Order: sequence, then structure tokens, then C-alpha cells
Amino acid sequence: AQSVAQPEDQVNVAEGNPLTVKCTYSVSGNPYLFWYVQYPNRGLQFLLKYITGDNLVKGSYGFEAEFNKSQTSFHLKKPSALVSDSALYFCAVREYYGGATNKLIFGTGTLLAVQP
Amino acid sequence: DTGVSQDPRHKITKRGQNVTFRCDPISEHNRLYWYRQTLGQGPEFLTYFQNEAQLEKSRLLSDRFSAERPKGSFSTLEIQRTEQGDSAMYLCASSSTGAPETQYFGPGTRLLVL
Repeated sequence: AQSVAQPEDQVNVAEGNPLTVKCTYSVSGNPYLFWYVQYPNRGLQFLLKYITGDNLVKGSYGFEAEFNKSQTSFHLKKPSALVSDSALYFCAVREYYGGATNKLIFGTGTLLAVQP
Repeated sequence: DTGVSQDPRHKITKRGQNVTFRCDPISEHNRLYWYRQTLGQGPEFLTYFQNEAQLEKSRLLSDRFSAERPKGSFSTLEIQRTEQGDSAMYLCASSSTGAPETQYFGPGTRLLVL
């Protein structure tokens, strides 16, 4: 079955320190991978995507993600965390079923808490 | 550039009532998606439209659920005879022909069924 796993329910980091939010995936075909952020009582905000090309993808608000095919991972990173980065982060993969579909499969989310 | 909008933002209803939600996609986005998100979970795909055609439906979309996009612009999602298990956040997203894989989400409609 195609899936996304976010092994950490919560990540705590001090402001100014680097942060990593982990994601691993299982999908047939070439993976299209995404990160979204969700603030309380809000919809999801697109951060970045990997389709092809450079394994290091840069996105909004200083976030970047590294695609690692051998480890089937797509970890989200930021060199210096801000308190305002505190939110729920979702990793997603586009479903591939005999061909690409239009369905995104999401992980269960990781709550990022940045302490001042 | 306005984003995806959804109306209402919140809905409280009694079990057995019908509810309808509206989604307005980003202008000129021809693809529109509905997802459902329950507490502590990621969004789950419900259905997908390309223009006015409904091309994919999840098995999650029971007979009580129906979605339309009559003119290829806004979409409605109706739930008939609501059940307490329908309580969730209903999210709408849209994407363009140029980058169909990148879905932009609206703020969602939070439904509470009493």
C-alpha cells in the first residue's frame, strides 16, 4: 500500500536552533512529495515539493527538504527555527496507481513546538 | 491573487439534517479537490473534479455524500442525513493546468454533528 509515515508526533526545538521534521514514504513509480503546514483552525499551506532534479528543494519561509531515494525519505529542515514556525506539519505523496492519480496521501502530521 | 475560499467556516447541525458546503477555487484553476480531516489525522481524499467532470471518488464518499461543480468554477459538497461520525474539517483544494500536482487548500469548513 502507498503511504507516508511521520514517525514523530511532536518535535521540540529552541528558537535559533536547526530543526528537522522527518518523513518516509512508500509509493510505486517516481514519487512526487510535498510538505504542508497547518496553523490552528486553518487550512493547509503549501511549503515545497519535490518532483525531479536536485535532491535539495527550497521552499517558503526558509524551509528546505532533502529527498533521499535510497532511504525513501523526504525530511523537512530549517537552519534556524523561529517561534512563529510552531505549527502542524504534514508530509504528502501523490498516489501512483497504474499511473499518477490526483490524490494526495498525507501523513498523520508532526507538531513542531519552538521554544523562545 | 485570492486563494481558495470556503463557506461556511463553521457549521453545527443535528444528526439527520442535511448540510451543504461551498468551495471557490483559485481563479482559472481547473482542478478541484475535496478532503476530510479528523482530529489527529492528515487529510483524506474524497473526490476530484477536472472542470465540471467528477473524475475520482473515494470509497470514503458514501451514498449520503454528493459533490458537484456545475459550471467548472465553484463546487458544493452536500451531506444528507448527517451522522455524528461526519464531524470533521472539510477541506477544498485547487490546482492549475500548469502545475496540476500542486494543490492549494482553502481554510476549511468545520462540521460538528450533535
